[in-house]
Amino acid sequence: QQQVKQSPQSLIVQKGGISIINCAYENTAFDYFPWYQQFPGKGPALLIAIRPDVSEKKEGRFTISFNKSAKQFSLHIMDSQPGDSATYFCAASKLWVSGTYKYIFGTGTRLKVLA
Amino acid sequence: EAQVTQNPRYLITVTGKKLTVTCSQNMNHEYMSWYRQDPGLGLRQIYYSMNVEVTDKGDVPEGYKVSRKEKRNFPLILESPSPNQTSLYFCASSFEARVGGELFFGEGSRLTVL
Repeated sequence: QQQVKQSPQSLIVQKGGISIINCAYENTAFDYFPWYQQFPGKGPALLIAIRPDVSEKKEGRFTISFNKSAKQFSLHIMDSQPGDSATYFCAASKLWVSGTYKYIFGTGTRLKVLA
Repeated sequence: EAQVTQNPRYLITVTGKKLTVTCSQNMNHEYMSWYRQDPGLGLRQIYYSMNVEVTDKGDVPEGYKVSRKEKRNFPLILESPSPNQTSLYFCASSFEARVGGELFFGEGSRLTVL
């Protein structure tokens, strides 16, 4: 019940296309859903995040769509660029019994945008 | 510059030889955590710390130890490394443990245990 399932494992998109990465969760207590972007040789960095009180959040070319009833959320990258080529991780988090926020990460999606 | 610094970035060692991976953050963050990243498994939490002298196990703590004697430092200790601990390790920190917010990650430490 604590898993976050991420798909696809890898994605190849033409420059200018739309990249879509999907995540699904089971635990309805999760209340913070971030996406992290990781370039080769670097640590993950926060890209965009959403809380379940909204269905969509947009920052530039990046949009999170959130479907609370389906327990799914997705990252859309509009006008994908070669510089977007990276690994993307979704995560779901909530306050744990320990008193700290715990993050459950998806397995990652390796995106390659062709020039 | 706000950052999380890990050392070493790359390390090859042999089974049973104790090693320590250091982690330091300069953002005065309360919360620090260690993750390991393995292909097809994503990021899994090893240990975390809510504050100085407060540490707890994550999802995959076996074979690891940590300490938090100072707010800025959170070293990861492998007392007797084994080949199944070959992985990419990330230290992360966050301003506060009790609020969902941004995790700041270090650049990673790639460990190979022969």
